[in-house]
Amino acid sequence: DTEVTQTPKHLVMGMTNKKSLKCEQHMGHRAMYWYKQKAKKPPELMFVYSYEKLSINESVPSRFSPECPNSSLLNLHLHALQPEDSALYLCASSQGAGETTGANVLTFGAGSRLTVL
Amino acid sequence: AQSVSQHNHHVILSEAASLELGCNYSYGGTVNLFWYVQYPGQHLQLLLKYFSGDPLVKGIKGFEAEFIKSKFSFNLRKPSVQWSDTAEYFCAVNDYKLSFGAGTTVTVRA
Repeated sequence: DTEVTQTPKHLVMGMTNKKSLKCEQHMGHRAMYWYKQKAKKPPELMFVYSYEKLSINESVPSRFSPECPNSSLLNLHLHALQPEDSALYLCASSQGAGETTGANVLTFGAGSRLTVL
Repeated sequence: AQSVSQHNHHVILSEAASLELGCNYSYGGTVNLFWYVQYPGQHLQLLLKYFSGDPLVKGIKGFEAEFIKSKFSFNLRKPSVQWSDTAEYFCAVNDYKLSFGAGTTVTVRA
């Protein structure tokens, strides 16, 4: 199994809603990532989890709250989002994180397309 | 952290034409370099990567890239493109995190 699975594929939410995005991988990877991608733009790193611990937070607003329940799962909890948060949210995983070795090849999921009304 | 610049915003080609996309990263030291492709409506896929060794790297779907350390460059090439190569191409560099260039939209006309 060489896939990163993200659910839901599409999500529409109001600014007062609370929702979550989910990501799962069964490749035995020990690092997992959340990226945000706006239309016609490159992915931007939000969070990195390494061995189930948050290792990088790229100054993301607190209305985005990541959670890594175990080494295979990564969640992104959403609350009080703004319309400008509408984007494609990509999850990725890699064997390791931060090392300058072959361990940090990222495998990406198909993304969750979020629309905030 | 490293930054990446891609020279071309949008490239339009005819089938069978050759493709070269430019990529430069910001500074030396040990870096891992990647090209990812995003086909319309699909997820990011790894085309090829460079960590060390032979600076000419071959990837999937007939793509190759050349690492030139003195120029901080990692340009992507394909000798003969097909309509199915229409996609967004991202160069990326990994020091402590994976940073992407702005991307190049490649449109191949049949």
